Amino acid sequence: DGGITQSPKYLFRKEGQNVTLSCEQNLNHDAMYWYRQDPGQGLRLIYYSQIVNDFQKGDIAEGYSVSREKKESFPLTVTSAQKNPTAFYLCASSIWTGDNQPQHFGDGTRLSIL
Amino acid sequence: ELKVEQNPLFLSMQEGKNYTIYCNYSTTSDRLYWYRQDPGKSLESLFVLLSNGAVKQEGRLMASLDTKARLSTLHITAAVHDLSATYFCAVDRYGNKLVFGAGTILRVKS
Repeated sequence: DGGITQSPKYLFRKEGQNVTLSCEQNLNHDAMYWYRQDPGQGLRLIYYSQIVNDFQKGDIAEGYSVSREKKESFPLTVTSAQKNPTAFYLCASSIWTGDNQPQHFGDGTRLSIL
Repeated sequence: ELKVEQNPLFLSMQEGKNYTIYCNYSTTSDRLYWYRQDPGKSLESLFVLLSNGAVKQEGRLMASLDTKARLSTLHITAAVHDLSATYFCAVDRYGNKLVFGAGTILRVKS
């Protein structure tokens, strides 16, 4: 079955440590997105990518970095510069950014501080 | 800057009752999405609304869009326990970059 796989499901970060969240899709979608969800809030866009080797900052990109070396993969690194990283992180994909189809979401990674 | 407001933020309903969730947004957009999220889970797409006057229905849920009023509604008919979840509306700024509302937590009591 086609879908989006995020790993790990739970992740713990120590002070000063960078951690990387994995996102892989086999839907052959061109566009991929990273969102952050805090308790009781909606999702906020961190980064998005429309094609391989290209990505743009979203609304809350500070303290995060991404890469898009393959169409299927869009990993997110939470750097030590992100002072409040505890949140639920969701990866999504869509056919392309101009399409009317909804974004498809992975199951998320819950990141906590040790 | 596009802002999206949902209300109510929390809704406790009795089974069998009807209710409506409202989604207001601040700037022009021609695409609006409704998603459902179960606790600790991912988001599931419910409806895509693309034009003024669009109405879509799936089971006990019906969504509508009024682009002139910048308002979408999600109407729940004869609620059942399985509908308990958090419901989000999301508005397309441009290029499928979405701005989400804060979500409405729905609890259906038997």
